[in-house]
Amino acid sequence: GNSVTQMEGPVTLSEEAFLTINCTYTATGYPSLFWYVQYPGEGLQLLLKATKADDKGSNKGFEATYRKETTSFHLEKGSVQVSDSAVYFCALSPIAGAGSYQLTFGKGTKLSVIP
Amino acid sequence: NAGVTQTPKFRVLKTGQSMTLLCAQDMNHEYMYWYRQDPGMGLRLIHYSVGEGTTAKGEVPDGYNVSRLKKQNFLLGLESAAPSQTSVYFCASWGTGTSGNTDTQYFGPGTRLTVL
Repeated sequence: GNSVTQMEGPVTLSEEAFLTINCTYTATGYPSLFWYVQYPGEGLQLLLKATKADDKGSNKGFEATYRKETTSFHLEKGSVQVSDSAVYFCALSPIAGAGSYQLTFGKGTKLSVIP
Repeated sequence: NAGVTQTPKFRVLKTGQSMTLLCAQDMNHEYMYWYRQDPGMGLRLIHYSVGEGTTAKGEVPDGYNVSRLKKQNFLLGLESAAPSQTSVYFCASWGTGTSGNTDTQYFGPGTRLTVL
C-alpha cells in the first residue's frame, strides 16, 4: 500500500535558520506529492505540491522537489520566521493529475521557531 | 464563502454517551471526509463519501457511523463513546465544485473531543 514517512519532531529553530523536513514515500505508480501546514488551532491547508518527477513546488519561501529516484519530497526554507511555527504534513495522492481525492498523510512534524 | 465548517468546536463526553459531529461545505464538492488526528499518528481517515447518499469506510471506521443525506453536509456519529475516541476530528471536502480547483482537499477547523 501507499505510505509516507517524515522526520519526527519536534524541530526547534532560531529565526532565520535553514529548515529541512525530510519526507519519503512508498507508492505504486506515479503519485502526486504535497506538503500541508497546520497552524495552531486551525485545519490543514495546502502549502505546495508537485505532480511529476523533478517538479519543484514552492510557496511562501518553502520549496520541495519530487525525487523519484530516492522517493523523496523534502521540505526546505532558507530563512524561517516565527510565523512559520506550525505542524507540517507530507502527503501523497496515488494518481498524479487526478487531484487530491485520496490522500495518505505522514505523521506530521511540529516546527517551533524562536526569536 | 465559509468553506468547510464544523460544529461543535469542543465537546466533552462521558464514556457510553453518544454525539453527532456536523460538517458543512458550501463549495458544492462531491467528496467529503472525516479524519481523526492523534499525537504522533498524523491524520487517519475514518469514513468518506463520494456523493449524496453514499458513504464508505476508511482506515479506522470502528465505533463511528456517518451519513450524507444532503450534498453539503456530512455527519459523524459516535453511538457509545470510548476514551480511545478522544481526538481532534477534521472534516474535509474535495471536488470540482464552484472553484474548479482539485489540487487540494479543503479542511475545516476541527472539533476537539474528550471522552472521560
